[in-house]
Amino acid sequence: GAGVSQTPSNKVTEKGKYVELRCDPISGHTALYWYRQSLGQGPEFLIYFQGTGAADDSGLPNDRFFAVRPEGSVSTLKIQRTERGDSAVYLCASSPNTGQGRDGYTFGSGTRLTVV
Amino acid sequence: AQKITQTQPGMFVQEKEAVTLDCTYDTSDQSYGLFWYKQPSSGEMIFLIYQGSYDEQNATEGRYSLNFQKARKSANLVISASQLGDSAMYFCAMRPRGGSYIPTFGRGTSLIVHP
Repeated sequence: GAGVSQTPSNKVTEKGKYVELRCDPISGHTALYWYRQSLGQGPEFLIYFQGTGAADDSGLPNDRFFAVRPEGSVSTLKIQRTERGDSAVYLCASSPNTGQGRDGYTFGSGTRLTVV
Repeated sequence: AQKITQTQPGMFVQEKEAVTLDCTYDTSDQSYGLFWYKQPSSGEMIFLIYQGSYDEQNATEGRYSLNFQKARKSANLVISASQLGDSAMYFCAMRPRGGSYIPTFGRGTSLIVHP
């Protein structure tokens, strides 16, 4: 696609429910990143994929969070037993290489998750 | 671990004037990359400019330039001839050269351009 697409753009869920957030990166981009942005904060790293594998998941806050990228393109961030503290904007970004380039990362518009 | 500090929570500038947004960073790496992103109210992060730690010249991209002072570990963004459309959040980020090359972002500075 022309840009990074994230769906849904908004998600409201009840505490304790399971949610899935989808990221469709730019075609051919091998590197994919998930970030979480709380109100008034900068993006906070969650997980990085290189191809199909999670190269670094050190930012996932706990085992309720999990992400996959089975075919090396679309990625899904999964949150189990959601808590009110999970409310934030979840951003996805992609890059055409291992992320060493000078061209920056292309971000999607994010998914605003609200847990009530 | 890397740390990015943006000390200005909010900045105001008159249209057509220049403004400097501050960014300092803390790293033990000698090789790294620095980025600035703009985030309008729509939420999307827009890449503005990149500076490599070994670049001999300060980066420039149109009205954006980077005042890079490696010894002071600062990478301030200068926006010349501000426009109303420049009103947004601005984030500084640093990417190490090594490991997973994952950028760390600062807390951001809100810029408001007055007519």
